[in-house]
Amino acid sequence: DTGVSQDPRHKITKRGQNVTFRCDPISEHNRLYWYRQTLGQGPEFLTYFQNEAQLEKSRLLSDRFSAERPKGSFSTLEIQRTEQGDSAMYLCASSLVGTGALSANYGYTFGSGTRLTVV
Amino acid sequence: SQQGEEDPQALSIQEGENATMNCSYKTSINNLQWYRQNSGRGLVHLILIRSNEREKHSGRLRVTLDTSKKSSSLLITASRAADTASYFCATAFKTSYDKVIFGPGTSLSVIP
Repeated sequence: DTGVSQDPRHKITKRGQNVTFRCDPISEHNRLYWYRQTLGQGPEFLTYFQNEAQLEKSRLLSDRFSAERPKGSFSTLEIQRTEQGDSAMYLCASSLVGTGALSANYGYTFGSGTRLTVV
Repeated sequence: SQQGEEDPQALSIQEGENATMNCSYKTSINNLQWYRQNSGRGLVHLILIRSNEREKHSGRLRVTLDTSKKSSSLLITASRAADTASYFCATAFKTSYDKVIFGPGTSLSVIP
């Protein structure tokens, strides 16, 4: 296992088109996260999964965004009817989380990201 | 906003000097994490400090946490040109056990 993989690395699309990104997390990790990052800013939380269950979706995320994690393995993030404001780096991360109040003992492992440019 | 805020936004130092970055947050946390990001790349986890810890070390990195002041600092000792990167603090809040929220980051330049 070489870490978190994201595909594609770069995507250029015309405004109004749909795009889909894929993330393959570390196989032992049970949580998977999607973040979006624009130039000069920190990553912005989009959504996350525990196994196949989507636990939370950012209120900032429009209905054009949807994410899935079938069978609790890889995940896909789809953006419908892309807009120029969707141009950003989309980052996926995974982690292993146990149970209990202080279960978050491990940091995230991030992929290299998918850079989306909407023209 | 619940996110942490790093200070300074940008820092430029000579190789061999120490670099200190600070992070402040507003809400009680479970843990606080520091990440590094080289230009155009993904983030790399550096260190995690729990709310009941006050200091942690990892190689040339030292992180402190003061929950009474809701602040943390990251110290990089004997900096190297390869330390040039953006550094982010990320806070895991008690209302959301594992999801972390990132600050805007500190851009560190280490001049050879």
